[in-house]
Amino acid sequence: GAGVSQSPSNKVTEKGKDVELRCDPISGHTALYWYRQSLGQGLEFLIYFQGNSAPDKSGLPSDRFSAERTGGSVSTLTIQRTQQEDSAVYLCASSATGELFFGEGSRLTVL
Amino acid sequence: KQEVTQIPAALSVPEGENLVLNCSFTDSAIYNLQWFRQDPGKGLTSLLLIQSSQREQTSGRLNASLDKSSGRSTLYIAASQPGDSATYLCAVEVNYGQNFVFGPGTRLSVLP
Repeated sequence: GAGVSQSPSNKVTEKGKDVELRCDPISGHTALYWYRQSLGQGLEFLIYFQGNSAPDKSGLPSDRFSAERTGGSVSTLTIQRTQQEDSAVYLCASSATGELFFGEGSRLTVL
Repeated sequence: KQEVTQIPAALSVPEGENLVLNCSFTDSAIYNLQWFRQDPGKGLTSLLLIQSSQREQTSGRLNASLDKSSGRSTLYIAASQPGDSATYLCAVEVNYGQNFVFGPGTRLSVLP
């Protein structure tokens, strides 16, 4: 597509539920990144994919967080048993030549 | 561990002023450095990318410079406009094609 697409744009869920956030990168971009931005805070790195592989998972905050990427394209970030502290905007970016392009983000609110 | 800081944290200027935003990083062994703007409730928009072999990039009223040896980059905005009001973030590429570390941002308000 023309840009990085993320869905849903907004998600409200109850504590303890599982959520899935989707990222569709720019066509042909081999690198894909997930970041988290809490209210008034900077960007927190979560995970990075090169193709379908995730060489760096060091930013995932706990084992409730997981991500996968299939076909070198779409990626899904899954948060299990959500907690209130998971409330944030989850941003996805893709890159082909070292320049990052971001989607609009998925705003997650855990009640 | 790479750390990125940005000064000032917030800045308010009257329309028409030229201004400079600063970005500092602790480890000079970086690849690219990229400047972004973020409008409230939105994602990040890429402004300028300075590749490792470059010292500056220009786009319209924006000019960004990079001094890797001193761990600094500056974003110069000429003739500021109210539409420039946003948060400006810098990010350094720590290893080629891998992790990017972001600064906390500078929140800019340009008053009409």
